[in-house]
Amino acid sequence: DVKVTQSSRYLVKRTGEKVFLECVQDMDHENMFWYRQDPGLGLRLIYFSYDVKMKEKGDIPEGYSVSREKKERFSLILESASTNQTSMYLCASSPPHQPQHFGDGTRLSIL
Amino acid sequence: QKEVEQDPGPLSVPEGAIVSLNCTYSNSAFQYFMWYRQYSRKGPELLMYTYSSGNKEDGRFTAQVDKSSKYISLFIRDSQPSDSATYLCAMKKSSGDKLTFGTGTRLAVRP
Repeated sequence: DVKVTQSSRYLVKRTGEKVFLECVQDMDHENMFWYRQDPGLGLRLIYFSYDVKMKEKGDIPEGYSVSREKKERFSLILESASTNQTSMYLCASSPPHQPQHFGDGTRLSIL
Repeated sequence: QKEVEQDPGPLSVPEGAIVSLNCTYSNSAFQYFMWYRQYSRKGPELLMYTYSSGNKEDGRFTAQVDKSSKYISLFIRDSQPSDSATYLCAMKKSSGDKLTFGTGTRLAVRP
């Protein structure tokens, strides 16, 4: 079974802090994705990566950056957290042209 | 207008009922169609994956795609309380790996 592990289930941070969300997958997948999920808006793609050190902007990249130094690990960085970044963050991975497999999410609150 | 429309529900049915969940879409370039199930406080889990038009059955679940109408459905037979979850449709074009999601339909199956 594919396992996508997100380092924290719940996280509380303060406005202006730099926040790191970590994701690790154990299936040697090329693709990795970061989404945020908000009520009424569904899942929105922030960034994705199709190879080590490669990244592409998704639909809502503003205020976020990513890092992929190793194939199994994809990090999402909030450069200066703001209250409108309070959300559920979901990481996913997939082989090329195959369905994505998701982690259980990190519920992030910015105070 | 959103590319993918999905009724948010909630949909409440008695145990044993047949459930029909639906999405409509506007972009005729979508070729691959998925249904994910998401339990509360968990990540989305892939249920069904289909290519182009037609039906696919897996146990109590049937996925149906009608590309001429830009309409996809998920049928659940003999619904169980354990089927209570949010169901997300997702779709992608033949090139690339970006998914476009519906906002999800919340389903409650009453014992």
